[in-house]
Amino acid sequence: DGGITQSPKYLFRKEGQNVTLSCEQNLNHDAMYWYRQDPGQGLRLIYYSQIVNDFQKGDIAEGYSVSREKKESFPLTVTSAQKNPTAFYLCASSSQGADTQYFGPGTRLTVL
Amino acid sequence: GESVGLHLPTLSVQEGDNSIINCAYSNSASDYFIWYKQESGKGPQFIIDIRSNMDKRQGQRVTVLLNKTVKHLSLQIAATQPGDSAVYFCAERSGYALNFGKGTSLLVTP
Repeated sequence: DGGITQSPKYLFRKEGQNVTLSCEQNLNHDAMYWYRQDPGQGLRLIYYSQIVNDFQKGDIAEGYSVSREKKESFPLTVTSAQKNPTAFYLCASSSQGADTQYFGPGTRLTVL
Repeated sequence: GESVGLHLPTLSVQEGDNSIINCAYSNSASDYFIWYKQESGKGPQFIIDIRSNMDKRQGQRVTVLLNKTVKHLSLQIAATQPGDSAVYFCAERSGYALNFGKGTSLLVTP
């Protein structure tokens, strides 16, 4: 998984709670991304950040929030407004101007 | 009762045979394409990429072919091994991010 770590590996949340998923990279990459994967489906983009202190919504940003205060960190908060949060969450990063994204090992979130 | 879910296309090949996984993309303006391999419960792993100014690119045991006329991408795996069993995704660049297909499950049988 090449220098990208995600924690925790498994996360359980009660309805109505906010939870934060961690993503850290030591690849000195400028860009970072969050994707959601549901069973039997491809990855869908939640948020991305090309540079520190800047981020953009992806295709399914509703119910999620992010911050990018440090180059190496891009945490994702799943809020209570996200109606169906049970999924596999993947963080990725890429160097500036490069297209290849490298992925972390993922966090599996389950709402109880 | 029976559960309803999405089923991935599945390709079953015998160990030692060559595998071909196909992908159709949607945006004729896309200039970059990439293949990932994802094992169960893990993050996608980069396999090979190709730019739109190329038709073919080879890596170790893998070849990607790009046909821009019909917007088709294929991944060929030579001498498929049991460790190749996984889900394979193609993706096209869409602005700053990647647009992923739904994936193909490759099953290698002895």
